[in-house]
Amino acid sequence: DSGVTQTPKHLITATGQRVTLRCSPRSGDLSVYWYQQSLDQGLQFLIQYYNGEERAKGNILERFSAQQFPDLHSELNLSSLELGDSALYFCASSFGQLYNSPLHFGNGTRLTVT
Amino acid sequence: GDSVTQMEGPVTLSEEAFLTINCTYTATGYPSLFWYVQYPGEGLQLLLKATKADDKGSNKGFEATYRKETTSFHLEKGSVQVSDSAVYYCALLSGGSNYKLTFGKGTLLTVNP
Repeated sequence: DSGVTQTPKHLITATGQRVTLRCSPRSGDLSVYWYQQSLDQGLQFLIQYYNGEERAKGNILERFSAQQFPDLHSELNLSSLELGDSALYFCASSFGQLYNSPLHFGNGTRLTVT
Repeated sequence: GDSVTQMEGPVTLSEEAFLTINCTYTATGYPSLFWYVQYPGEGLQLLLKATKADDKGSNKGFEATYRKETTSFHLEKGSVQVSDSAVYYCALLSGGSNYKLTFGKGTLLTVNP
């Protein structure tokens, strides 16, 4: 058990809809990262938050947004959903800098857009 | 930009066989290198790492050596077990970066009894 909790485990929705994915980081970890895993693109970094502030952006679409709350949990909001957004979305957390502090991944939220 | 290339899978081995999964990278500066493993239905977890050239990372019988001259970080295990069946990801942390882990596409390993 990594200590990172993601909800829900599965989400099925229709095109054009909006969904929210939730992540609780491992106790004590201040950084939260979001990744998208798809068959064709592999594991893509979306965004990082540190102690409530956005620190880095990767390949995140404008239709997607995220935030980290004072209790350090994070939400990833996906709107105007398209079929191509179907993927496994992972949240990960770390205590310190990545060269000496490993990433701890949750089990992911599987999003299916129909 | 930085990139990681892993050997295409899937890889299927018998128990106690020798495992090599190739990984090469392209990066500016001096990246740190990692292997992550993903067991079925779970998230990724760190298997081993190396932060500078010639370092050898090791864990659970797996090893990988950071080879700057060949820009490689191949994963090896002398005798695989059925429980090693998983997807293995090579990753690099760009030199000077604190956040950008670049992952390879993953290699599915299946070990048969």
